[in-house]
Amino acid sequence: NAGVTQTPKFRVLKTGQSMTLLCAQDMNHEYMYWYRQDPGMGLRLIHYSVGEGTTAKGEVPDGYNVSRLKKQNFLLGLESAAPSQTSVYFCASRIQGASQRAFFGQGTRLTVV
Amino acid sequence: RKEVEQDPGPFNVPEGATVAFNCTYSNSASQSFFWYRQDCRKEPKLLMSVYSSGNEDGRFTAQLNRASQYISLLIRDSKLSDSATYLCVVNEGGSTLGRLYFGRGTQLTVWP
Repeated sequence: NAGVTQTPKFRVLKTGQSMTLLCAQDMNHEYMYWYRQDPGMGLRLIHYSVGEGTTAKGEVPDGYNVSRLKKQNFLLGLESAAPSQTSVYFCASRIQGASQRAFFGQGTRLTVV
Repeated sequence: RKEVEQDPGPFNVPEGATVAFNCTYSNSASQSFFWYRQDCRKEPKLLMSVYSSGNEDGRFTAQLNRASQYISLLIRDSKLSDSATYLCVVNEGGSTLGRLYFGRGTQLTVWP
């Protein structure tokens, strides 16, 4: 039972490069989330999705795009990476329903130089 | 203004102490509430849900005050293994249904 899997786990990018982070869940969850975590800032919501084919902005969406073409996958794209996007990125998913807990991936450590 | 506010601490307490964390949220349409625990450089994991009537899980007690938009976590008889960052989490309702917001976290260190 894999749960929530993030790919890759580590990455170093040069400023201006692009990349896509993949989040995959095998629990048939409707809701999926992308967060970034920086020292002293907690987890900040970038984008989220409440179902296949839908996405919505969170607290800090600028510089990122997302897609949810398949229910099990939620992709986070950086079109032109900037040093300010150096962070740890966490993906999460959960079942629809107010009381449902979220399950997290192990995180992706991204450094933009 | 952040949706969820927490006292960042740090809290440094001896083993056996009782410690309390507080959290406030801004959206009165928020539907559900949780406390998560995060160990250094790891993903957050659910500690407990928070129910309107208050709930207890062993040494941990969570309280919710909807009128004041306030959540608390009490840890009794602290253990060394309780050292971690505790995150207050709010699940929004209304027009932002599905959004899950995290506080900045409160760092706890329990010393022998």
